[in-house]
Amino acid sequence: KQEVTQIPAALSVPEGENLVLNCSFTDSAIYNLQWFRQDPGKGLTSLLLIQSSQREQTSGRLNASLDKSSGRSTLYIAASQPGDSATYLCAVRPEYGNKLVFGAGTILRVKS
Amino acid sequence: GAVVSQHPSWVICKSGTSVKIECRSLDFQATTMFWYRQFPKQSLMLMATSNEGSKATYEQGVEKDKFLINHASLTLSTLTVTSAHPEDSSFYICSARDRTLAGVSYNEQFFGPGTRLTVL
Repeated sequence: KQEVTQIPAALSVPEGENLVLNCSFTDSAIYNLQWFRQDPGKGLTSLLLIQSSQREQTSGRLNASLDKSSGRSTLYIAASQPGDSATYLCAVRPEYGNKLVFGAGTILRVKS
Repeated sequence: GAVVSQHPSWVICKSGTSVKIECRSLDFQATTMFWYRQFPKQSLMLMATSNEGSKATYEQGVEKDKFLINHASLTLSTLTVTSAHPEDSSFYICSARDRTLAGVSYNEQFFGPGTRLTVL
């Protein structure tokens, strides 16, 4: 059974700092991995999707890497801003099947 | 593109009543929609997978008679919480997979904004 773990559970940093969020999964047979952002009381916003054959994806100040064999992904946020404060969720889709398996999330707070 | 809407965004109801939540793909056709439930400060829990024109597939532990799912068209799925009780209070989120992207095999899911259900 696939399990997804996110570390740290919560993170508080001063504005401008670069930071890394970690995601690990137990079964390397994945189709893709996706990073989401969730603001309080809101739905999910997709940030980056990495196919299993890819090593990384970049969008603006965000960079996500994937090491499928070791079951790890990182989300790198450069020059963090207060507006980046949210919960960041990592989800993997297994190689066979449609279901996404979510991690518990990392609650990020960027202080101004 | 790839916008998913949910209605209502929040609902408060009395115990024993039924509540219907709609999930619509606004600019694409979705053969598959997913319903999730999220408790405060917890991650999303998949409740069921809904395929257009067929019965939904429920996850273990989810009561199909309690949570009725209908996916009557390629752009609409509904979740009805029947005889709601306070323990059903939660944040319900749907997602949809773009049928046209299936051939590209990206299979990205697009999420709705969620519906906050409070049962008194």
